[in-house]
Amino acid sequence: DAGVIQSPRHEVTEMGQEVTLRCKPISGHDYLFWYRQTMMRGLELLIYFNNNVPIDDSGMPEDRFSAKMPNASFSTLKIQPSEPRDSAVYFCASSITGVLGYTFGSGTRLTVV
Amino acid sequence: QKEVEQNSGPLSVPEGAIASLNCTYSDRGSQSFFWYRQYSGKSPELIMSIYSNGDKEDGRFTAQLNKASQYVSLLIRDSQPSDSATYLCAVKGGGTGNQFYFGTGTSLTVIP
Repeated sequence: DAGVIQSPRHEVTEMGQEVTLRCKPISGHDYLFWYRQTMMRGLELLIYFNNNVPIDDSGMPEDRFSAKMPNASFSTLKIQPSEPRDSAVYFCASSITGVLGYTFGSGTRLTVV
Repeated sequence: QKEVEQNSGPLSVPEGAIASLNCTYSDRGSQSFFWYRQYSGKSPELIMSIYSNGDKEDGRFTAQLNKASQYVSLLIRDSQPSDSATYLCAVKGGGTGNQFYFGTGTSLTVIP
């Protein structure tokens, strides 16, 4: 089992550019979560999917953020346009119905300059 | 966003001592509680889960839950330098969804 796979591991971009973060959940997991982690706010839930359908996106900070899950093995989180305050570590996690507890990916460290 | 509060620390204990980490939560309907360990620069890793009032032991780790007081704690016995990390308390919301709410974490340093 390869675990939850995120790419890229690090991303440095200029303000105003589009950023796309990618996630491959564990095969067979039917829940997928996107979190953002900063020192000040800790881990914040942005959005989560169940069976590829977005269930709760109330944590998405604003319209610049969007997330998709076109199939069970792939999800993207897009920021357009990016701003310096978006700098954080973005984690993807997956889980399976009936088994509580997430498995996190390695995260993407985003720096917007 | 549901409230999950932790003392950010840092908490320092000598090697071999008991480390005590605390967490309170606001959603009285919450039923599932978790402790994650996060080493610097790494992703969170699940170490304990607890669902019923009382204590749950797993090796050197003991999770304690008091739903009436909306309080959950983690005890680490015989602390080792390898336990030095940030410990995150997570609470599953009381609704039907599967989302967790995390505290900001407590940084623990075990001094050799």
